[in-house]
Amino acid sequence: NAGVTQTPKFQVLKTGQSMTLQCAQDMNHEYMSWYRQDPGMGLRLIHYSVGAGITDQGEVPNGYNVSRSTTEDFPLRLLSAAPSQTSVYFCASSYRGQGNIQYFGAGTRLSVL
Amino acid sequence: AQSVTQLDSQVPVFEEAPVELRCNYSSSVSVYLFWYVQYPNQGLQLLLKYLSGSTLVKGINGFEAEFNKSQTSFHLRKPSVHISDTAEYFCAVMRNEKLTFGTGTRLTIIP
Repeated sequence: NAGVTQTPKFQVLKTGQSMTLQCAQDMNHEYMSWYRQDPGMGLRLIHYSVGAGITDQGEVPNGYNVSRSTTEDFPLRLLSAAPSQTSVYFCASSYRGQGNIQYFGAGTRLSVL
Repeated sequence: AQSVTQLDSQVPVFEEAPVELRCNYSSSVSVYLFWYVQYPNQGLQLLLKYLSGSTLVKGINGFEAEFNKSQTSFHLRKPSVHISDTAEYFCAVMRNEKLTFGTGTRLTIIP
C-alpha cells in the first residue's frame, strides 16, 4: 500500500517556466489537498478537493491551478513560476468528514531561480 | 477564521527529561485538534487528535495532549524524551474539513 505518492522529489525551475507537481493516492480517499511549507510559517493550504470534479481554493491559491479528474490524482500546476513559489509542497488525502486524519506525501522541494 | 499559535519556535531538552510543547487556538465554535510530527526530510504523520470526550488524549511514541476549552489550549507533553524525538511538531485545528497549522516547534534533544 503506497499511500500518498508525490513526484518529483526535487525540482529546479527558472522564473516563468511551468510545471506540474503530481500527487496520487491509493486509499480511495475523497478529500485531497495541497500545502506549501515555508520556514517559520508552518503549512498553508493552497487548494483542496472533496471529490472528483470538485476543487476549491485554500489560504494561498494565487499562482497555482488544480484539477481533479479522478479520485486518485490531484496535480498542482504552476503556470509561470516565480521565486516566491520556492517552497516545499505537500499533498495530503483523507476520507471526508470532520476529524478524519490526513495522510501526507513525502513532499516536493521546489526552487525557482 | 481559525488561528493556531505555537509560541515556542525551538525547544531544547535534555534526554530523558520531560517536555511540553504549547499550542493555543482561537475559535468561536467547536473544532477538532491535532498534533503532527515531521522528522527531518519527511512528510507529516499524526501523533494524536482530539475530537470529543476525554480531554486527555494519548498518542503514539508516549506523547499525550490535554484539551482545555476554557484556555483554548492543546499542549503536547511527554514525560521522558528520547533522542529519536528530535523533530518538528505542528499543532493544527480542523474546521469544515480544512486544517490550519501552527508555525511549528522544533524539538531538539540534548544527549
